[in-house]
Amino acid sequence: AQKVTQAQTEISVVEKEDVTLDCVYETRDTTYYLFWYKQPPSGELVFLIRRNSFDEQNEISGRYSWNFQKSTSSFNFTITASQVVDSAVYFCALSEATGGFKTIFGAGTRLFVKA
Amino acid sequence: EADIYQTPRYLVIGTGKKITLECSQTMGHDKMYWYQQDPGMELHLIHYSYGVNSTEKGDLSSESTVSRIRTEHFPLTLESARPSHTSQYLCASSERKTNEKLFFGSGTQLSVL
Repeated sequence: AQKVTQAQTEISVVEKEDVTLDCVYETRDTTYYLFWYKQPPSGELVFLIRRNSFDEQNEISGRYSWNFQKSTSSFNFTITASQVVDSAVYFCALSEATGGFKTIFGAGTRLFVKA
Repeated sequence: EADIYQTPRYLVIGTGKKITLECSQTMGHDKMYWYQQDPGMELHLIHYSYGVNSTEKGDLSSESTVSRIRTEHFPLTLESARPSHTSQYLCASSERKTNEKLFFGSGTQLSVL
C-alpha cells in the first residue's frame, strides 16, 4: 500500500533563512510519481513539481529545489532565502501504478515565514 | 490554465438535509477526484472517477455518493447530513496520462449544525 509521511507538522523560520521540508514515501511499485503541492491561506492547492520513479535527477526552480533519493525513499523540498509569501501548507503526494495512479497525500507541513 | 469550479463555496445546513456539492471542469479531463480536508490538515481521498460511468471509493470511508454521467461534471451527494460531515471538500481533475498533476477547485466548506 502507498503511504506518504511528512514528519514535520509545523516549521517556523525568519525571512531569508533556508528551510527543508521532508517527505518519506512507501510503495511496492517500481513505477510511481511524486508531487509537491502548496496550499496558501486562500485554500486552493497549487501544483509545484512532479517526479517519476525513473528520474532521480534533482531539480531547481528559482528558490525551490527538490532532492529525490530512492535509496532512502525520500523526496525533500528546500526553499532558499525564504519569503513571507512562502507561508503555506506544503503537501507531498504519491501516485503509483498499482493504485491506478490515484494520488495520496501526506499530512502536510505548515510553514511560517516571519518578516 | 486549468478551469475547475466548485459550488457552493460555503454551505451551512441543518442535520438531516440532503445536499449536493457541485464540481465541473472545462478541460475535458477524464479523471476526477473528491478529497475531504479539515482546515490545513491532510487530504483524504473519498471518491474518484476515471471517466463517464466510472466511480470508485477512495481510502477514507465516506457516507457520500458520487455520479459521473458527463465528463465535465462530478457531483457529490450527502443524503442526510450530520455534524460529523463538517469539513472542506476539494474537487480535482487530471488528464488520462498516468503521470498527471491534479488541478484543484477552490473547495466547498461545509458546516452541518
